[in-house]
Amino acid sequence: DQQVKQNSPSLSVQEGRISILNCDYTNSMFDYFLWYKKYPAEGPTFLISISSIKDKNEDGRFTVFLNKSAKHLSLHIVPSQPGDSAVYFCAITNFGNEKLTFGTGTRLTIIP
Amino acid sequence: EAGVAQSPRYKIIEKRQSVAFWCNPISGHATLYWYQQILGQGPKLLIQFQNNGVVDDSQLPKDRFSAERLKGVDSTLKIQPAKLEDSAVYLCASSSLPYEQYFGPGTRLTVT
Repeated sequence: DQQVKQNSPSLSVQEGRISILNCDYTNSMFDYFLWYKKYPAEGPTFLISISSIKDKNEDGRFTVFLNKSAKHLSLHIVPSQPGDSAVYFCAITNFGNEKLTFGTGTRLTIIP
Repeated sequence: EAGVAQSPRYKIIEKRQSVAFWCNPISGHATLYWYQQILGQGPKLLIQFQNNGVVDDSQLPKDRFSAERLKGVDSTLKIQPAKLEDSAVYLCASSSLPYEQYFGPGTRLTVT
């Protein structure tokens, strides 16, 4: 039962261009969504989040979009930098419940 | 602020042996989590502690896995006996607020 899907295992983007990472979920009851970033040999680090009452949240170069009707969220990174090369996980939960369900991850490579 | 500490970083054991992992959370964080991340998958929650009480252990294989959090601070996760499919990275995380989970670097376990 895969509740969270990241259908692109990998993505390569030229430095300076926009990176778009996608995540789909199956249960419309989830109401809080997060993105984590993971470098090799390190634990995931929190990047950005959004609640279901919003459809967009922005933090510097990072913007998360939520489309509740499509059960889809995306992370936009612009402009992409070499330090953005990492594995990105989306995670979903219910407000008030701290349990996170993670997607399978997308490995982003920024090409200089 | 010191991050989440985990040890050992790497462990290789033979199947049917036992192994233990240690986690020291960020000072003051009441909630502690253990995750299992199998190669190519996202982290999966094994157990969640609030102080020294278990909040959720629904995905912990209790026939072979055990975890404790003494005095509401450090925690240990034990596997006995290990199976080949237990090969994974075991991540510890802690939080003081919902959703803001801080992860340690993980322990990479290889079962041969």
